[in-house]
Amino acid sequence: QSLLTQPPSVSAAPGQKVTISCSGGNSNIGNNYVSWYQQFAGTAPKLLIYDSDKRPSGIPDRFSGSKSGTSATLGITGLQTGDEADYYCGTWDSSLGAVVFGGGTKLSVL
Amino acid sequence: EVQLVQSGAEVKKAGESLRISCEASGYSFPSYWISWVRQMPGKGLEWMGRIDPNDSSAKYSPSFQGHVTISADRSTSTAYLQWRSLKASDTAMYYCARPEGPEVHPYWGQGTLVTVSS
Repeated sequence: QSLLTQPPSVSAAPGQKVTISCSGGNSNIGNNYVSWYQQFAGTAPKLLIYDSDKRPSGIPDRFSGSKSGTSATLGITGLQTGDEADYYCGTWDSSLGAVVFGGGTKLSVL
Repeated sequence: EVQLVQSGAEVKKAGESLRISCEASGYSFPSYWISWVRQMPGKGLEWMGRIDPNDSSAKYSPSFQGHVTISADRSTSTAYLQWRSLKASDTAMYYCARPEGPEVHPYWGQGTLVTVSS
């Protein structure tokens, strides 16, 4: 059972917007930055968002991140079928002294 | 260009030992930690631990402490993940990744699939 809770799946139509939540606690999200990763089947994860709301070079501005208290959210606008993937949040947990990831959310673009 | 190239897939029997590798290039190897991340079949990402190649000090997630050993060789810019006695439950894809800061992993290896039969 992960310390970070994500919905198992979300879905939306092409062109629409979707948000993926990541809920934690004071020892992790509440006091540390959050990262988000995109993973296609059979490939390594790819960094989408770091420091809770920053995009690495090359990541489209359709992807956004935010954090409030002990929760974080990944937003994706203008959904494309190519966005169908698993999405993970991650952060540092100060009590564990370890990186923790959410359980992952499968995005379906219907 | 930062690259992390991992060793190939392994098929082992329970009780056997194993070491998989992650060769880094395109940057100063001693300057950045290397993390290892497990992904069991159909499951999510689990951080196992990381090593500081500068002094070979390793930090482990409590879930993996004592079950694996992370090491590094500065002379070959290679990090390793090692098991002394594999279990069937070690069957998984293992990724190495280079963090920037405690929790951000911009660079990942391609993954090494480890299959352990009982």
